[in-house]
Amino acid sequence: AQKITQTQPGMFVQEKEAVTLDCTYDTSDPSYGLFWYKQPSSGEMIFLIYQGSYDQQNATEGRYSLNFQKARKSANLVISASQLGDSAMYFCAMREGNTGNQFYFGTGTSLTVIP
Amino acid sequence: EAGVVQSPRYKIIEKKQPVAFWCNPISGHNTLYWYLQNLGQGPELLIRYENEEAVDDSQLPKDRFSAERLKGVDSTLKIQPAELGDSAVYLCASSLGNAGITDTQYFGPGTRLTVL
Repeated sequence: AQKITQTQPGMFVQEKEAVTLDCTYDTSDPSYGLFWYKQPSSGEMIFLIYQGSYDQQNATEGRYSLNFQKARKSANLVISASQLGDSAMYFCAMREGNTGNQFYFGTGTSLTVIP
Repeated sequence: EAGVVQSPRYKIIEKKQPVAFWCNPISGHNTLYWYLQNLGQGPELLIRYENEEAVDDSQLPKDRFSAERLKGVDSTLKIQPAELGDSAVYLCASSLGNAGITDTQYFGPGTRLTVL
């Protein structure tokens, strides 16, 4: 089974609107961390936001927030007030705490912001 | 603070030639990762170092790929001989290594390899 599933290969959003990028994960480890990365066309993976399995509140970092639903095993990224510079690939990733710090990436979602 | 440095950024070689990539992690980061990323896909781990020890190289094709991190700082990934299917982006990342599940990886700009 896939550890990280991103079901949206491509998404479009109007500039200044909010967009949600989906991520579901599969683990039996009670201790894990969830990460989102942005990869623009230049190629560098940029760390955006982190959510721990024991965190009580959803993580937020500026315009990025993480909609963490533990029972559903989902960790969706919400980008508010989209900007043209948000156009990029977005990857969801997970680190499991009790399996030697294994790190898993999803297949990514391509986001295009339309002016 | 300087980020993860990789060189070269781009490399074009003919098949059967050797190629090497270099990575310098963020200062103080004990863990170093090499990933392969094919177009339109997520990164796939090739090897992970904790200091100078390779602790996970299960996905490294050892017949042609090798890596080293002799002093536990910078690292080199080598392919010899290169094949057409090796054309991809090679990403290096580093993390503190002692932060458990919060241990965040930071990536370099990658090396885009084209094998002709």
